[in-house]
Amino acid sequence: ETGVTQTPRHLVMGMTNKKSLKCEQHLGHNAMYWYKQSAKKPLELMFVYSLEERVENNSVPSRFSPECPNSSHLFLHLHTLQPEDSALYLCASSQDATVTNTEAFFGQGTRLTVV
Amino acid sequence: AQSVTQLGSHVSVSEGALVLLRCNYSSSVPPYLFWYVQYPNQGLQLLLKYTSAATLVKGINGFEAEFKKSETSFHLTKPSAHMSDAAEYFCAVSHFGNEKLTFGTGTRLTIIP
Repeated sequence: ETGVTQTPRHLVMGMTNKKSLKCEQHLGHNAMYWYKQSAKKPLELMFVYSLEERVENNSVPSRFSPECPNSSHLFLHLHTLQPEDSALYLCASSQDATVTNTEAFFGQGTRLTVV
Repeated sequence: AQSVTQLGSHVSVSEGALVLLRCNYSSSVPPYLFWYVQYPNQGLQLLLKYTSAATLVKGINGFEAEFKKSETSFHLTKPSAHMSDAAEYFCAVSHFGNEKLTFGTGTRLTIIP
């Protein structure tokens, strides 16, 4: 496999469920990101990991918990979500989080619906 | 602070016609600018980027964009639209010292046969 792969592609969960989103990159990049894409809103950067350390957390509610066990894998653990959390969650990676003009490569996203 | 504004959430053009998608940026320092495309049920793919070299940037699929500092603009163009260009297009900005990409709200491009 190449590029950035996200699983599952679609997820429906109840507000009391616990689920996890998975992202894997095969590009040898050092930085990984979670974005939230909601209808009619700009992409929202949620978390940034550089060399497996979290370097950015944009005031995301604690019901979203990221995990980066190594530079190739990134998880987003979900717990007690609200209906307004329904969105497309995109994972991305880049060579280096500190290099401004580096290109970000995106996965296909996980379409999350909270019922 | 940095931001981008994409004028027009929806743009429709006829097949073979000129595509023009508008992006204006706000940045207190020289910006780096990007255009990404998102096809249905897909992630974002980089079309092109401006990083303070040539002001006219050529990207994939025949797209290009021109950085105009006086107008704080980075509009995306393609001379002749193709049906496969139907997608959502996002403009984004960053700058040295602020590595985060700030995205616009996107423009959905529809191609009329």
